[in-house]
Amino acid sequence: SQQGEEDPQALSIQEGENATMNCSYKTSINNLQWYRQNSGRGLVHLILIRSNEREKHSGRLRVTLDTSKKSSSLLITASRAADTASYFCATDAYNYGQNFVFGPGTRLSVLP
Amino acid sequence: DTEVTQTPKHLVMGMTNKKSLKCEQHMGHRAMYWYKQKAKKPPELMFVYSYEKLSINESVPSRFSPECPNSSLLNLHLHALQPEDSALYLCASSSREGSYEQYFGPGTRLTVT
Repeated sequence: SQQGEEDPQALSIQEGENATMNCSYKTSINNLQWYRQNSGRGLVHLILIRSNEREKHSGRLRVTLDTSKKSSSLLITASRAADTASYFCATDAYNYGQNFVFGPGTRLSVLP
Repeated sequence: DTEVTQTPKHLVMGMTNKKSLKCEQHMGHRAMYWYKQKAKKPPELMFVYSYEKLSINESVPSRFSPECPNSSLLNLHLHALQPEDSALYLCASSSREGSYEQYFGPGTRLTVT
């Protein structure tokens, strides 16, 4: 069963704008992670937020987690053309019998 | 060294062939993973090895056979594949199985003819 689901599926913005992607999931989790994938390549880990955390920052990235709503958001500020990629949330719920599951992803295009 | 390497980068095989995918990491990680990814879809977990023992098999058909010869190496043996098995196969590792960030290799693009 799919755990995380992203919204929107595709997002197109201008360079310098902010990009927000949302992720929803269905069961309790241990943590939630965000990954980036450039076309046809391996995934790169961006940030991990634990179930007892509400917000985390890393450079231009800001992740929030709302466990009551079972949702997370990834904000990329001051986007660049190099941010063009697919972004996936991934949840693990090992303590709840759920293995590592990726959401469907958001395809972000940052136009110069 | 935070790199996970995968060979080959591309593989074309017939349905009667036997081939293997290889994955290697030297980060001292004790968990390694195989994922399958179809175009425009998220990666799907296939197998997890923890301390060189198979920990998770996500009901993968027996034509895919994983092997973990040592803590740095992970193989995926392929036999009698179907065209629908064509996909990007990704290997990943993490320090332990569980709630840890995963490091991914660049993947092997597999085409079954």
